[in-house]
Amino acid sequence: ETGVTQSPTHLIKTRGQQVTLRCSSQSGHNTVSWYQQALGQGPQFIFQYYREEENGRGNFPPRFSGLQFPNYSSELNVNALELDDSALYLCASSQKAGGFTDTQYFGPGTRLTVL
Amino acid sequence: AQSVTQPDIHITVSEGASLELRCNYSYGATPYLFWYVQSPGQGLQLLLKYFSGDTLVQGIKGFEAEFKRSQSSFNLRKPSVHWSDAAEYFCAVGPPTGGFKTIFGAGTRLFVKA
Repeated sequence: ETGVTQSPTHLIKTRGQQVTLRCSSQSGHNTVSWYQQALGQGPQFIFQYYREEENGRGNFPPRFSGLQFPNYSSELNVNALELDDSALYLCASSQKAGGFTDTQYFGPGTRLTVL
Repeated sequence: AQSVTQPDIHITVSEGASLELRCNYSYGATPYLFWYVQSPGQGLQLLLKYFSGDTLVQGIKGFEAEFKRSQSSFNLRKPSVHWSDAAEYFCAVGPPTGGFKTIFGAGTRLFVKA
């Protein structure tokens, strides 16, 4: 059983650019959540995808968008990057069934730096 | 408003000493409760979770946590700390239906001195 993987590990972008981060969920999991963790803070929920549809969203602007694919892997896209977008982006996968979502398992994260 | 408070930004403990990390939450109902550990530059590893039942929960790496409904607390404990326990610890809450939007505290950084 493979765990949650994320790519790339690190990324440097300039303000105004666009970025795509990728996540492969743990085997058997159908739900992916994305979190932003700014330096010195706890993770903040961005959104969740369940069976290729957005299933909930936190307080992030529309320039944060995502996709989930039939194999349950996921992408996080951020447009018009701002300096404050610099953070560790964490992906977490879980299994949702019957309206219940089991424990989330986190990937190692992608460190995004916006200059 | 739903929130998680970890009152201690950082704690220093001698190796072999006991540890208690505090966590208080504000939630409309009894949530699901979690403790995660994060080593520098790494993702989050689940230490333990509480959904219901026995209020004393055992986790990995010798950690345990106690849920106290009356105090809205879920404190993490370890009887004897090892140098490898130095890391950031996050308390988190999730909705009782196990849905999305897990809310994390700001974390407590644990330093272990020899």
